Amino acid sequence: ETGVTQSPTHLIKTRGQQVTLRCSSQSGHNTVSWYQQALGQGPQFIFQYYREEENGRGNFPPRFSGLQFPNYSSELNVNALELDDSALYLCASSPGQPDNYGYTFGSGTRLTVV
Amino acid sequence: AQSVTQLGSHVSVSEGALVLLRCNYSSSVPPYLFWYVQYPNQGLQLLLKYTSAATLVKGINGFEAEFKKSETSFHLTKPSAHMSDAAEYFCAVSDNTNAGKSTFGDGTTLTVKP
Repeated sequence: ETGVTQSPTHLIKTRGQQVTLRCSSQSGHNTVSWYQQALGQGPQFIFQYYREEENGRGNFPPRFSGLQFPNYSSELNVNALELDDSALYLCASSPGQPDNYGYTFGSGTRLTVV
Repeated sequence: AQSVTQLGSHVSVSEGALVLLRCNYSSSVPPYLFWYVQYPNQGLQLLLKYTSAATLVKGINGFEAEFKKSETSFHLTKPSAHMSDAAEYFCAVSDNTNAGKSTFGDGTTLTVKP
């Protein structure tokens, strides 16, 4: 098992820019979720993808969007970056419904918006 | 709506002492409950999960948790703390009403003193 890998590990963007974060899910995992973790807080659910379709979304604006590819890898796109978007972005995969299995998390991408 | 409260943002124990990390949840439907551990600069690792089977759940690294419906609690315990247990611990709740959405608490940082 290779686990969940995310890239890049760190990046710095300017307010108003756009960013794409990437995630390779663990082998055999067909469900991918993205979470935002602000400093000192627990992760907040952004959305989930299953079979290339978004099938669950948290309280995030439409400028947060994503994709899932046939190999179950995923991207998180954020447009019009704001300072408050600075956080650790975590990708998590599951072999099915996360309620039953829990998640395998990646190490995250640390995004800093200046 | 679901929510999680972790009592105590910081807990300190001596090596060999009992570890008790508290978690109370709120859910309008029977919950799925999870404990995750996060080491510095890493993603979250699943310690254990409750999915409506046995109320006492055993996890990795000697941790266990007991689901108590009457108290809406899912406290995490370990009989004897090791230095390697020092990390941040997150309790999470989910249900089947919003695919993939786990709601996390704000975490408890465990310090283990020699």
